[in-house]
Amino acid sequence: AAGVIQSPRHLIKEKRETATLKCYPIPRHDTVYWYQQGPGQDPQFLISFYEKMQSDKGSIPDRFSAQQFSDYHSELNMSSLELGDSALYFCASSLALRVSGNTIYFGEGSWLTVV
Amino acid sequence: ELKVEQNPLFLSMQEGKNYTIYCNYSTTSDRLYWYRQDPGKSLESLFVLLSNGAVKQEGRLMASLDTKARLSTLHITAAVHDLSATYFCAVGTNFGNEKLTFGTGTRLTIIP
Repeated sequence: AAGVIQSPRHLIKEKRETATLKCYPIPRHDTVYWYQQGPGQDPQFLISFYEKMQSDKGSIPDRFSAQQFSDYHSELNMSSLELGDSALYFCASSLALRVSGNTIYFGEGSWLTVV
Repeated sequence: ELKVEQNPLFLSMQEGKNYTIYCNYSTTSDRLYWYRQDPGKSLESLFVLLSNGAVKQEGRLMASLDTKARLSTLHITAAVHDLSATYFCAVGTNFGNEKLTFGTGTRLTIIP
């Protein structure tokens, strides 16, 4: 079965540079989520989209932005990178959770290292 | 602000033994998720619990939910080495557009 696809899997950036992460949700899933997981930490919710509209916002820095496109893929843009942005970034997708019981599926993650 | 606490944070247990991981959360919710994560890997969905008294089992793992006590448990029966991983519970909010608040995680190590 198709899973959530993230790219790139690994990237190394210097401070103050910009990075873009891409996410392709499971086909027919209409909701996309972004999470950030620091080393040894639990995942922290950043932002979510339902049917291409931003639906919720968590602890996402102002330097970060995200959008969901017409084909439902999503991109997380991170600017003015700081050392503390080094983390594993997960994208997840689900069917509309108004239908109870739907699972939220996570991608393999994108490792961002800021040096 | 929703807080989700797990205990223990670290657990070493011998193969063949039973143990329980606890997940407490601070505000009302009737949706609780359990995930498994191997080091540096993705979060694998184990269970979705949707109602008070829900119990689900898969292999050596069994999860339950008590919404009145705001408590979920993940019980491991006759542990095997392959179960070594970090286990997260996560509580859902904003039904219809699920933002998950994760617990601190329990790092489980099964010793042969």
